[in-house]
Amino acid sequence: GDSVTQMEGPVTLSEEACLTINCTYTATGYPSLFWYVQYPGEGLQLLLKATKADDKGSNKGFEATYRKETTSFHLEKGSVQVSDSAVYFCALSGSGGSYIPTFGRGTSLIVHP
Amino acid sequence: EAEVAQSPRYKITEKSQAVAFWCDPISGHATLYWYRQILGQGPELLVQFQDESVVDDSQLPKDRFSAERLKGVDSTLKIQPAELGDSAMYLCASSQLLRPKETQYFGPGTRLLVL
Repeated sequence: GDSVTQMEGPVTLSEEACLTINCTYTATGYPSLFWYVQYPGEGLQLLLKATKADDKGSNKGFEATYRKETTSFHLEKGSVQVSDSAVYFCALSGSGGSYIPTFGRGTSLIVHP
Repeated sequence: EAEVAQSPRYKITEKSQAVAFWCDPISGHATLYWYRQILGQGPELLVQFQDESVVDDSQLPKDRFSAERLKGVDSTLKIQPAELGDSAMYLCASSQLLRPKETQYFGPGTRLLVL
């Protein structure tokens, strides 16, 4: 079946540091890939998405590129802020025509001033 | 910007009691999802609706959980009786269409604590 693997957290960074959160997936066909962010006590918010190989999704300074050859969708940001502290979820959907999305376990990011 | 609404935001109950959660999707969204998110994990799908019809409820514990979307708009998820292991965040999401790769939009969730 489909699966999404994210790097273990928490990831702890100082403000203005560079961020990479790794995400790899196993799926049938050509799914869409998503990054969601969850702030404490809140639901998930769509951060960015990519629907086909080599697409780059970007939003709020975050970006991720759909790499089919490495089955990866790593999240990056050049300079993090304290307000970026949250849990980040990688997800896929549309694998093999399925409507049901698959989420990773989430990676907690803590940014210190 | 349109949002998915959920209530209540927090619920504390004793085991064996009944609880209900409500969700109002983004206007015009035909597809509605209920997820359960255990602390430290990603969301797991419980049930999926297309309009008023259930598309997938294979992961819904049907001996105690039920879900309905009678008029194809808002939805209710019920647990009866609640058990200690039901403590989790319950998330509702909606999407415009039922098709692969469709983006889902999430509500703020209902955090349930069963004592």
